[in-house]
Amino acid sequence: GENVEQHPSTLSVQEGDSAVIKCTYSDSASNYFPWYKQELGKGPQLIIDIRSNVGEKKDQRIAVTLNKTAKHFSLHITETQPEDSAVYFCAAKSDYKLSFGAGTTVTVRA
Amino acid sequence: EPEVTQTPSHQVTQMGQEVILRCVPISNHLYFYWYRQILGQKVEFLVSFYNNEISEKSEIFDDQFSVERPDGSNFTLKIRSTKLEDSAMYFCASGINYGYTFGSGTRLTVV
Repeated sequence: GENVEQHPSTLSVQEGDSAVIKCTYSDSASNYFPWYKQELGKGPQLIIDIRSNVGEKKDQRIAVTLNKTAKHFSLHITETQPEDSAVYFCAAKSDYKLSFGAGTTVTVRA
Repeated sequence: EPEVTQTPSHQVTQMGQEVILRCVPISNHLYFYWYRQILGQKVEFLVSFYNNEISEKSEIFDDQFSVERPDGSNFTLKIRSTKLEDSAMYFCASGINYGYTFGSGTRLTVV
C-alpha cells in the first residue's frame, strides 16, 4: 500500500518568514495530493491540493509543488501569520483512499 | 459552504459495548469514508464506501467494524464490542472524486 513520509515533524518560524513542509510517497499510481490543516479539536480542513498532471499550484500565500519522478511534494507558506499555527498533513490518494503523512506542527512566533 | 456533520461530538462507552457513530455527508457526494486518529498520531484510513458497498478497507477495519448508509443521507460506523484501543477521534469524510471534506469528528473514549 501507499506510504507517505512527512518532514519535519515540528517547525517554528518567525512571523513573516516562509515555512516549507516536504512529503514523499511510495505508490507511483497515486494521482492526487491534498494538504490539510488541522486546528485543535477540529477535523482536517483542505487548504490546497494538486493532481498528478500538474507540477505546481498556488493560492495566495500557499503553494504546492509536485515532482512525480522523485515522488515528492511540498507545501510552501509565505509571509506566515500567527493564524497559520496548526498541524499540517500531506496525503496521497491511490485507488479509493487517502494515505496521510504523520503531520507537521507549525508554530508561528510573533 | 456545505459541511459534513458528525454526531455525537464526544462519546464515552464501557469496554465491550457497541457504539454507533453517525455522519451526514454532503448531499451530492458519492464517496464516503471513515478515518480515525489516535491522540497525537496520524490520520488512519478505515474504510471507503461507494455505490452502497465497501470499496476498500484497511486491516484496522476488522469484523468488529461495520458501515451502513441506512437511509440515503446518513452514514454510520458501528463498533460491535469496543476495546480500550478503539479510543480515538473518528472522522467521516465525503467527496465526489477529489477534494474530500472532513467532519469535525467524534471523540470516542472507551473506559
